[in-house]
Amino acid sequence: EDQVTQSPEALRLQEGESSSLNCSYTVSGLRGLFWYRQDPGKGPEFLFTLYSAGEEKEKERLKATLTKKESFLHITAPKPEDSATYLCAVLLYSGGGADGLTFGKGTHLIIQP
Amino acid sequence: EPEVTQTPSHQVTQMGQEVILRCVPISNHLYFYWYRQILGQKVEFLVSFYNNEISEKSEIFDDQFSVERPDGSNFTLKIRSTKLEDSAMYFCASSEVQQYFGPGTRLTVT
Repeated sequence: EDQVTQSPEALRLQEGESSSLNCSYTVSGLRGLFWYRQDPGKGPEFLFTLYSAGEEKEKERLKATLTKKESFLHITAPKPEDSATYLCAVLLYSGGGADGLTFGKGTHLIIQP
Repeated sequence: EPEVTQTPSHQVTQMGQEVILRCVPISNHLYFYWYRQILGQKVEFLVSFYNNEISEKSEIFDDQFSVERPDGSNFTLKIRSTKLEDSAMYFCASSEVQQYFGPGTRLTVT
């Protein structure tokens, strides 16, 4: 069975304290890996797409990387407004054109001032 | 910036009643999706829709669910006879490549 596992489940950091969130996947036929941010009571907000091992994407304080087994979301010098749940999702090859994402449970990140 | 919109933001219904959740996808997107998130759990895929037909559906999307694109802008999810376990946030998404999500409809079944 395809699996997406995120760790840690929750992470509390001081403002300015850099860290990394992990997303490991055991899937066959990865088409793409996606990172989303979700605030309480809101829909997932798209951050990054990664397609192949070695690829990196960056946006402000966030940087996403991908290997053959896992992805990392690095957060550098975070601010309180970066507090959210970060979701990892994978898109698999199925032969169809409109395929659903398989999500992990997310990492709940709290940045304390 | 274009965004996916959903109505209503919160729907309360009694068990056994039918509900219709509505979505307006981003205008130039061709692929549409419904997901649900039970409180405290992960986001789960329900169904995808392309070219006026279902492209893929999960095990969750059984006969009580249906989707429709009744006109050029709306995309709806109908639940025919709601159960208590249907209580969840329902998210619509649309895509060209990346999937963009709406703010969700919180469905409460009593």
